[in-house]
Amino acid sequence: GAVVSQHPSWVICKSGTSVKIECRSLDFQATTMFWYRQFPKQSLMLMATSNEGSKATYEQGVEKDKFLINHASLTLSTLTVTSAHPEDSSFYICSARETVQETQYFGPGTRLLVL
Amino acid sequence: AQTVTQSQPEMSVQEAETVTLSCTYDTSESDYYLFWYKQPPSRQMILVIRQEAYKQQNATENRFSVNFQKAAKSFSLKISDSQLGDAAMYFCAYRSIFQGAQKLVFGQGTRLTINP
Repeated sequence: GAVVSQHPSWVICKSGTSVKIECRSLDFQATTMFWYRQFPKQSLMLMATSNEGSKATYEQGVEKDKFLINHASLTLSTLTVTSAHPEDSSFYICSARETVQETQYFGPGTRLLVL
Repeated sequence: AQTVTQSQPEMSVQEAETVTLSCTYDTSESDYYLFWYKQPPSRQMILVIRQEAYKQQNATENRFSVNFQKAAKSFSLKISDSQLGDAAMYFCAYRSIFQGAQKLVFGQGTRLTINP
């Protein structure tokens, strides 16, 4: 099946620093990738949709200057949390949409803890 | 806008028995996709099953099958011969088929416990 990797799986950082999370589709090309945030015992909240080679589309209420998304190739998207604060601590999940069947496959997630 | 509702926050079932998870959705579109995803304790989201609305036949994947009732806008998931590894959060999701409509709309999730 289609595999999506995410790196790192765990990150702890100090308040005010920036953190980059990578999302890769390993065995398929993905023109569209998605970034989600998930709070404990809740559903996934879509943050933004990124299309390869163009600017990401952010959901209402998501600060685009704080959550920078780059989708430079058909297999890689990155999410950078800039000037992270403790309230940004969360579980971040990426997904990539496979072109033929248009099914979304998910990465294993990144747990971010901002001290 | 489309919405997805999972009315059962938690369900439990004895190992080897059958359980059905409910999902209803609201849409004005005639064609769309529906999905069930599983999120085990590892938190990796795994696709369980997919259904195209234009197909009348219910999708099946081994022990997993759906009961798709288009008129009622219902999309329930049946798990037969439940196994301990089936314990997870299950999310129902909707996606429009129209070009440009890309995002999944998720339900709130149902936590499934398997009792040995």
